[in-house]
Amino acid sequence: GENVEQHPSTLSVQEGDSAVIKCTYSDSASNYFPWYKQELGKRPQLIIDIRSNVGEKKDQRIAVTLNKTAKHFSLHITETQPEDSAVYFCAAHSGGSNYKLTFGKGTLLTVNP
Amino acid sequence: GAGVSQSPSNKVTEKGKDVELRCDPISGHTALYWYRQSLGQGLEFLIYFQGNSAPDKSGLPSDRFSAERTGGSVSTLTIQRTQQEDSAVYLCASSFRGGLYEQYFGPGTRLTVT
Repeated sequence: GENVEQHPSTLSVQEGDSAVIKCTYSDSASNYFPWYKQELGKRPQLIIDIRSNVGEKKDQRIAVTLNKTAKHFSLHITETQPEDSAVYFCAAHSGGSNYKLTFGKGTLLTVNP
Repeated sequence: GAGVSQSPSNKVTEKGKDVELRCDPISGHTALYWYRQSLGQGLEFLIYFQGNSAPDKSGLPSDRFSAERTGGSVSTLTIQRTQQEDSAVYLCASSFRGGLYEQYFGPGTRLTVT
C-alpha cells in the first residue's frame, strides 16, 4: 500500500517568513495530493490540493509543488501570519480502484509574532 | 448545507465497557472514513467505506474494533471491552466518491476510558 512520510514534524518561523513542509510517497501510481490544516481543537480542513498532471498550484500565500519523478510534494506558505499556526497534514491517493487517502503524520507549524 | 456530524461529542467510559460512536455523513457522499487521533498525534486510519464495496478494515487496531454503515449513510464505530489506550478523538470524514475528492471531517468524538 501507499506510504507517506512528512517532514519536519515541527516547524517554528517568525511572522513574515516562509514555511516549507515536505512529503514523500511510495506508490508511483498516486495521482492526487491534498493538504489539510488542523487548527487547535478543530477538525482538519482542505487548504489546497494538486493532481499529477500539474507540477505546481498556487492559492494566494500558499502553493504546492509536485515532483512525480522523485515522488515528493511540498507545501509552501509565504508571508506567514500567526493564524497560519496549526498542524498541516499531507496525503496521497493511489490510482486504481482503491480510493483511500493515506495521510502523513503531520507538521506542527508555529508562527511567532 | 449540513456538514458531517458525530455523536456523542464526548464520551467517558469505564475500562471494559463497550462504546458506540455515530457518524452522519454529508448527504450524497458515498465514501466514509474513520480515523483516530491521539493527543498531538496524526490521523490514524481505521476503516473506509466506499459505496456498496466491502469496507477496507486494514486500519482497525484489534478485533475489539468494528464498524458498520447502514444503507450507505450513517456509520457506527463500536469498541468492545474498552482499554485506556483507546482514549483518543475519533474523527469521521466523508467525501463525494473517495480518495480523489475533498474529505469533510466531523467535529470528532473525544473518548476517555477511565
